[in-house]
Amino acid sequence: DQQVKQNSPSLSVQEGRISILNCDYTNSMFDYFLWYKKYPAEGPTFLISISSIKDKNEDGRFTVFLNKSAKHLSLHIVPSQPGDSAVYFCAASASGYALNFGKGTSLLVTP
Amino acid sequence: DAMVIQNPRYQVTQFGKPVTLSCSQTLNHNVMYWYQQKSSQAPKLLFHYYDKDFNNEADTPDNFQSRRPNTSFCFLDIRSPGLGDAAMYLCATSRDRTGWTEAFFGQGTRLTVV
Repeated sequence: DQQVKQNSPSLSVQEGRISILNCDYTNSMFDYFLWYKKYPAEGPTFLISISSIKDKNEDGRFTVFLNKSAKHLSLHIVPSQPGDSAVYFCAASASGYALNFGKGTSLLVTP
Repeated sequence: DAMVIQNPRYQVTQFGKPVTLSCSQTLNHNVMYWYQQKSSQAPKLLFHYYDKDFNNEADTPDNFQSRRPNTSFCFLDIRSPGLGDAAMYLCATSRDRTGWTEAFFGQGTRLTVV
């Protein structure tokens, strides 16, 4: 049963605009959330994370927002750049164990 | 420099013929994981090693086995591959079970079963 859901398989955004990638989860025991980025022919690489005691974490152009009551998190990329084009995986962990991934959202940033 | 290396990148195997995928790491991480990712699906954890301690996920088929002869290497053995086992297999490492921000993934091995 899919505990982490990314309902948008793809997203297209113009360069310079904001990209918003969404993720929903069902397991209330999840206490740590991460976003991974994956380029073709490469393994996923860690991008940004947030623990359940926070509702926002920012790292440069990337911000992750967590809404625990809605069991929803989102990744904002501002401004979007063509090099951001990749597949983004949302992942969640309960007490550091067994990272659960979503299916991924393919982001295309067009010039 | 690659820190988690998976070999081969592409593997074609015959239906029912045992196959082994390998993963090596230069990070000296304690934990090594194997994930299976089928087309358009989320990566799914098969099992992991915490040092020499093997941890199997409850729904991992018996057809899948793993070996970790030392810190650096971990192998995924598929005893009798079926067509449904065709997937990308990802190896990942982390310093400990809570070190997901420091987890590193290999490039994956794409397995085709014919």
